[in-house]
Amino acid sequence: DGGITQSPKYLFRKEGQNVTLSCEQNLNHDAMYWYRQDPGQGLRLIYYSQIVNDFQKGDIAEGYSVSREKKESFPLTVTSAQKNPTAFYLCASKRGLGGQETQYFGPGTRLLVL
Amino acid sequence: AQTVTQSQPEMSVQEAETVTLSCTYDTSESDYYLFWYKQPPSRQMILVIRQEAYKQQNATENRFSVNFQKAAKSFSLKISDSQLGDAAMYFCAYAGGGADGLTFGKGTHLIIQP
Repeated sequence: DGGITQSPKYLFRKEGQNVTLSCEQNLNHDAMYWYRQDPGQGLRLIYYSQIVNDFQKGDIAEGYSVSREKKESFPLTVTSAQKNPTAFYLCASKRGLGGQETQYFGPGTRLLVL
Repeated sequence: AQTVTQSQPEMSVQEAETVTLSCTYDTSESDYYLFWYKQPPSRQMILVIRQEAYKQQNATENRFSVNFQKAAKSFSLKISDSQLGDAAMYFCAYAGGGADGLTFGKGTHLIIQP
C-alpha cells in the first residue's frame, strides 16, 4: 500500500528531553512537510523540505529540528528548547514542487509532556 | 503573508439538508490554489476539494462544491444532501505557486443532526 506513515501514534516527553517523530512515505513524493495542530486551531507549518539534504523553516520552527537524508524520510526532533510541545503533529507530502500539487497527510503523532 | 479566515467555529445541519461553510483569504499573489480538508474524529486529514485561482469555473466533487469569488477573496464550501459521515472539522487552506506549505484557517466544526 502506498501512503504516509507516522510513528509512534502517542509519544511522551520528559522535561529536558529531546524526542524524534518519524515520518515515512512510499509515494515517491518530492516535498515533505511538518505541521503542528493545537486544540481549536488550524495547522501551522514547522519545517518543509523540497529535496534531499535541504529544508526550510516554516512559521514556528523554534525548538524543532529536521533532517532529510533520504527522499522517503523526514523525521522531526522536538528539542528541550520547545517549551510547549504538547500538540498533535502531522506530516504531509506532495508529488511536485508547484502549488497545484495536493498535499497528502499521515495519521499524526500525539505528543504529551510528562 | 497570506491569511485564511473561517468565521464559523461551529455549524449544525439536519441530515439530507444543505450547508455552506465560509472561508475568506488574503493574498497579494496572482498564482495560488485553495483547498478544503476534512478532519474526522480519527484526526486523519482528508482532501475534500481543490480550486485553482486561474479557473473561473467552480470545482465540484459529487455532493461537495465551492463558490469561488476571486475578487472578494472568498472560497465557501457547499455540502448537499448532508450525511452523518460528513460530521468533522473542515479546514480551508491556501497554497501559493511554489513548494511552501499550506496556510490553514482555524476550522469549522460541522455537526450533522439525524
